[in-house]
Amino acid sequence: AQRVTQPEKLLSVFKGAPVELKCNYSYSGSPELFWYVQYSRQRLQLLLRHISRESIKGFTADLNKGETSFHLKKPFAQEEDSAMYYCALSGRSGSQGNLIFGKGTKLSVKP
Amino acid sequence: EAGVAQSPRYKIIEKRQSVAFWCNPISGHATLYWYQQILGQGPKLLIQFQNNGVVDDSQLPKDRFSAERLKGVDSTLKIQPAKLEDSAVYLCASSSGPGQFFGPGTRLTVL
Repeated sequence: AQRVTQPEKLLSVFKGAPVELKCNYSYSGSPELFWYVQYSRQRLQLLLRHISRESIKGFTADLNKGETSFHLKKPFAQEEDSAMYYCALSGRSGSQGNLIFGKGTKLSVKP
Repeated sequence: EAGVAQSPRYKIIEKRQSVAFWCNPISGHATLYWYQQILGQGPKLLIQFQNNGVVDDSQLPKDRFSAERLKGVDSTLKIQPAKLEDSAVYLCASSSGPGQFFGPGTRLTVL
């Protein structure tokens, strides 16, 4: 079965500390992985995709096919990073395929 | 560019009543999605359209939910009759390539 697991509902760190939001997936083929973010009172928006291998707002995520993981990392958290983060996978090429989301992790960065 | 528009933003109804949601995708986006997000969960796909055709409606409760995209642009999602467990945020998204763009959502409360 296709599934995305985000084991932490809430992650609280201090400003300047490293942060890692965990994501594990279950999929029989080669999925495309995404991280979406929702800031307070804003709409859900794409943060990054694994195939682009880019860094957005200092965040990076590496796809580990052996561990079926796609953890989101940032070396120095900022208060403005506080938001809800969702890991998602698509089983079809490109994001024309529908997304399967995890339950999300709320990141709280304290001053 | 203008984002995905949804209306209404909030709706409160009693169980067994009917409700309809409207979505206007980003201009030129052929693919449109409706997601249901229950409190504490990630979004779950209800239906995906490619232009005015249905690509995936496997998770749409067809006994009470219906959706259409007659001219391949705007879309409506209807629930008739509503149940208490339909209380959720209903998200519309559109895409034409990498990344799905989400609307602000409609928060439905069924009493």
